[in-house]
Amino acid sequence: KAGVTQTPRYLIKTRGQQVTLSCSPISGHRSVSWYQQTPGQGLQFLFEYFSETQRNKGNFPGRFSGRQFSNSRSEMNVSTLELGDSALYLCASSLMLGSPEAFFGQGTRLTVV
Amino acid sequence: GQNIDQPTEMTATEGAIVQINCTYQTSGFNGLFWYQQHAGEAPTFLSYNVLDGLEEKGRFSSFLSRSKGYSYLLLKELQMKDSASYLCAVRVNDYKLSFGAGTTVTVRA
Repeated sequence: KAGVTQTPRYLIKTRGQQVTLSCSPISGHRSVSWYQQTPGQGLQFLFEYFSETQRNKGNFPGRFSGRQFSNSRSEMNVSTLELGDSALYLCASSLMLGSPEAFFGQGTRLTVV
Repeated sequence: GQNIDQPTEMTATEGAIVQINCTYQTSGFNGLFWYQQHAGEAPTFLSYNVLDGLEEKGRFSSFLSRSKGYSYLLLKELQMKDSASYLCAVRVNDYKLSFGAGTTVTVRA
């Protein structure tokens, strides 16, 4: 079965712009989590969605937001981009909220210039 | 938040055994995970421990002691392809996952 699909794979934006990233979970999976990975901070939790509702949120500013659609696909949006937002954004898909195993997508590499 | 510590780097020889330790401080513990991440790739799930003891899966084993806030990942019969970053992650009751900074393992011939 198809894995987790994230689009786009690479993105270059300028400061002040906004960006939307997309994640399609594994078919049948209903929980989607988003993470930011940088060399300095490692993997940091952004938020988790289940049944179109945000269930958990990490310690990121309000510029970071997300949503989940009825087909479990999820998007995350970052507004007013800053240089420090340059990172690999990873999406993880799980069967249910709290499932022990999460499957990660290949990520979207965002570069803010 | 959770405080998760693991060594930054480890080097071992092909065929050897390496043990990666992870210590954590948290409240509402609800599971410990190990992920493997090769450079430029997504993390892949290796193991999950929620009760004390050893979980074995082929060449990889993971151990948990909840009272000590301690886990280790044991990699046996090391192969060159095991060179990667190994991430320890702790989940708490609200299902949030917090990751350690990762341990880069280099396997040498």
